[in-house]
Amino acid sequence: NAGVMQNPRHLVRRRGQEARLRCSPMKGHSHVYWYRQLPEEGLKFMVYLQKENIIDESGMPKERFSAEFPKEGPSILRIQQVVRGDSAAYFCASSPMGQSYGYTFGSGTRLTVV
Amino acid sequence: GQQLNQSPQSMFIQEGEDVSMNCTSSSIFNTWLWYKQDPGEGPVLLIALYKAGELTSNGRLTAQFGITRKDSFLNISASIPSDVGIYFCAGALIQGAQKLVFGQGTRLTINP
Repeated sequence: NAGVMQNPRHLVRRRGQEARLRCSPMKGHSHVYWYRQLPEEGLKFMVYLQKENIIDESGMPKERFSAEFPKEGPSILRIQQVVRGDSAAYFCASSPMGQSYGYTFGSGTRLTVV
Repeated sequence: GQQLNQSPQSMFIQEGEDVSMNCTSSSIFNTWLWYKQDPGEGPVLLIALYKAGELTSNGRLTAQFGITRKDSFLNISASIPSDVGIYFCAGALIQGAQKLVFGQGTRLTINP
């Protein structure tokens, strides 16, 4: 009975490289949410997706960031041309339907840009 | 944008003491949630509140949804070492909404 699986747990990228973060929701969950947490801060909403659809991307930076949740496979958060300021923990959560109290968070991917 | 102000930022207490922390906002929230985050892990939901004035308990934890819908508090009674961690409040502007706004967190340290 696996929870929300995120990989990798730690990712180091040089400035200018691409970062790909993966999230497999809990079994039976079709809604995925991505949040970013800077050191010593709370989580900030980035994007909400259902299978093959972006529902709310109001928290996504306008450039370099994209997210997808294909019909098959995990949800992917992609950051192109990473900069030092992208260093953070990125958390994925899933729910069986669009309800905030149904969130289950993964353990996160810690991205370090050097 | 919407902001939740959480206080205190950190607490240092003795094992066995009670703990109280709160969260306030200038905006009305229709769902309040309290999470705990351990180092290197994602947040885990502790308590969810859906109605103004609601008081809900989960073991030694008690949380209330303020009448004005602009605040919430979390109490932990008789703290134990495993209560150490960061506690976050989170709110949803619309009940059942998918987007949560998080507070900055309260870091709890317990001296044995």
